[in-house]
Amino acid sequence: QVQLQESGPGLVRPSETLSLTCSVSGGIISYYVSWIRQPAGGGLEWIGRIHTTGGTNYNPSLMSRLTMSVDTSKNQFFLELDSVTAADSAIYYCARDSQGLDYWGQGALVIVSS
Amino acid sequence: DIQLTQSPSFLSASVGDRVTITCRASQGISSYLAWYQQKPGKAPNLLIYGASTLQRGVPSRFSGSGSGTQFTLTISTLQPEDFATYYCQQLNSYPITFGQGTRLEIK
Repeated sequence: QVQLQESGPGLVRPSETLSLTCSVSGGIISYYVSWIRQPAGGGLEWIGRIHTTGGTNYNPSLMSRLTMSVDTSKNQFFLELDSVTAADSAIYYCARDSQGLDYWGQGALVIVSS
Repeated sequence: DIQLTQSPSFLSASVGDRVTITCRASQGISSYLAWYQQKPGKAPNLLIYGASTLQRGVPSRFSGSGSGTQFTLTISTLQPEDFATYYCQQLNSYPITFGQGTRLEIK
């Protein structure tokens, strides 16, 4: 059974860097992981995705502030978003990206506030 | 970016009803469309991919159709657990985008 779990600080100060980890279990070998966020009461926004080989596709609206990386030895995927503002406050999800996003983490709430 | 417009944004229906949600793309996306169901406080759940392929484990009362720019999600006989928010997503080109959501509530 494939499982994903997000982890990271729930509170980030404005202008600082948001950092999240997605830990994957279930024995899958080669795959993409997408990051998606959802502001409170809002819709879904695709942030970007990364393959286990390290290849990435980013949303142009966030590209200048975004870095994704992977540590395949630990089955962990990382998201860093620089220079955050209150507009970056949201639930952040990671999901396996196959034919659609078929397995999701439970989500990590991140609040940007001083 | 490809814009996805769902209609209606809000739908009130009764258990046993047949409901249809439409997703229109601002340009052709072939069959690269998925549908998700999201319940409050939970992550979205994949229902349909490739516009019409039912994800494993999803009840057969859910079905999807369409190609190009117009797509539909149909629930043949609404069950109490189906009241949720539904999103379409295009996977044809980057950036991947979602529709704004359709909230399905009990009448």
